[in-house]
Amino acid sequence: NAGVTQTPKFQVLKTGQSMTLQCAQDMNHEYMSWYRQDPGMGLRLIHYSVGAGITDQGEVPNGYNVSRSTTEDFPLRLLSAAPSQTSVYFCASSYDRTSNQPQHFGDGTRLSIL
Amino acid sequence: DAKTTQPPSMDCAEGRAANLPCNHSTISGNEYVYWYRQIHSQGPQYIIHGLKNNETNEMASLIITEDRKSSTLILPHATLRDTAVYYCIVRAATGANNLFFGTGTRLTVIP
Repeated sequence: NAGVTQTPKFQVLKTGQSMTLQCAQDMNHEYMSWYRQDPGMGLRLIHYSVGAGITDQGEVPNGYNVSRSTTEDFPLRLLSAAPSQTSVYFCASSYDRTSNQPQHFGDGTRLSIL
Repeated sequence: DAKTTQPPSMDCAEGRAANLPCNHSTISGNEYVYWYRQIHSQGPQYIIHGLKNNETNEMASLIITEDRKSSTLILPHATLRDTAVYYCIVRAATGANNLFFGTGTRLTVIP
């Protein structure tokens, strides 16, 4: 049971570089989301998707883009990395938007921007 | 979604029950109480959730007061591996599926 898989686990970027954080789930979940977690803080929602082809902004969307071309995948793109985006990024999925079923999280991507 | 209040930290002796409180006095009738934990810097792990009845699973028990304004997560026999940050989250099933994480309770299990 793979659950939610995030790649890479670690990444170091230079300011201005771009990259894509990958997230895949094999549970046929409709709802997927991206969070970031900064030291000593809780998780903050970046973007989310309620199904293939549908995305929306969360609490802290600036500097990030997402797309949802398939049910399984929900990549997060940093267009021009900034030091303020140094963080741990978590992807999560759940059955759908309206059920009470819990979200399942990946193990995270630790990103450092120099 | 209702706001929750948790103590910042708690200690528990290994083998004893750990009781983690959460206050959610503004909870609405259709909002569920969820508990997650985060060990080190791993991804949050779902523990349990409930609406108004007490719930139990293989990991923990959830006790929700009759007025639903507070709840307690119970780990019946805490082990060192239960040392983690525990988050209490309130969310409506019919609303957005976003989870609003606060700073949680850091539980330290002491040998």
